[in-house]
Amino acid sequence: DTAVSQTPKYLVTQMGNDKSIKCEQNLGHDTMYWYKQDSKKFLKIMFSYNNKELIINETVPNRFSPKSPDKAHLNLHINSLELGDSAVYFCASSQGRSGYTFGSGTRLTVV
Amino acid sequence: TQLLEQSPQFLSIQEGENLTVYCNSSSVFSSLQWYRQEPGEGPVLLVTVVTGGEVKKLKRLTFQFGDARKDSSLHITAAQPGDTGLYLCALRLIQGAQKLVFGQGTRLTINP
Repeated sequence: DTAVSQTPKYLVTQMGNDKSIKCEQNLGHDTMYWYKQDSKKFLKIMFSYNNKELIINETVPNRFSPKSPDKAHLNLHINSLELGDSAVYFCASSQGRSGYTFGSGTRLTVV
Repeated sequence: TQLLEQSPQFLSIQEGENLTVYCNSSSVFSSLQWYRQEPGEGPVLLVTVVTGGEVKKLKRLTFQFGDARKDSSLHITAAQPGDTGLYLCALRLIQGAQKLVFGQGTRLTINP
């Protein structure tokens, strides 16, 4: 039973398109995150939600819009995709000061 | 400037050898976590160290938190091919909203 699941696993799309990535966690955690991992494997936080409320927005372009319909779900919508958006996007969740549980990632390729 | 510096960035050794990787910061931090990431997967938490000088063991992996809480090391004894992966250290920033900040990682390859 997957703890943090994100879909799709792979996403190939053309520049200018709009796409969404979905994330669900069944751990009962209060906080969820989106991280971006670049080609050099550097993981950088993008957004964090606590009980459906946005608490971190790390100077991410406005084309990226997270949405949390409930505390178990955090989706990421990206408008007008650019070549530089190509990366692996990870969803994660945590509770209190515990470690993070990550999903298996969505590899986005913009062509 | 990276908050956390990991070294080496790449390490390739033979099965059975020992190795140590390092995580350093110019700042003092309250706790530090180590994660391992395998290809096509997300990072998985290995350990959290909290107290200066703390040592934790996970089978053949030994984690140490520096006395001044500015650095940490991961030592692997008798490395096996299954240890291959990206090892990431991360610290939790507590000013403002809490978030986990990662180092750039050490890519470890254990050759049979």
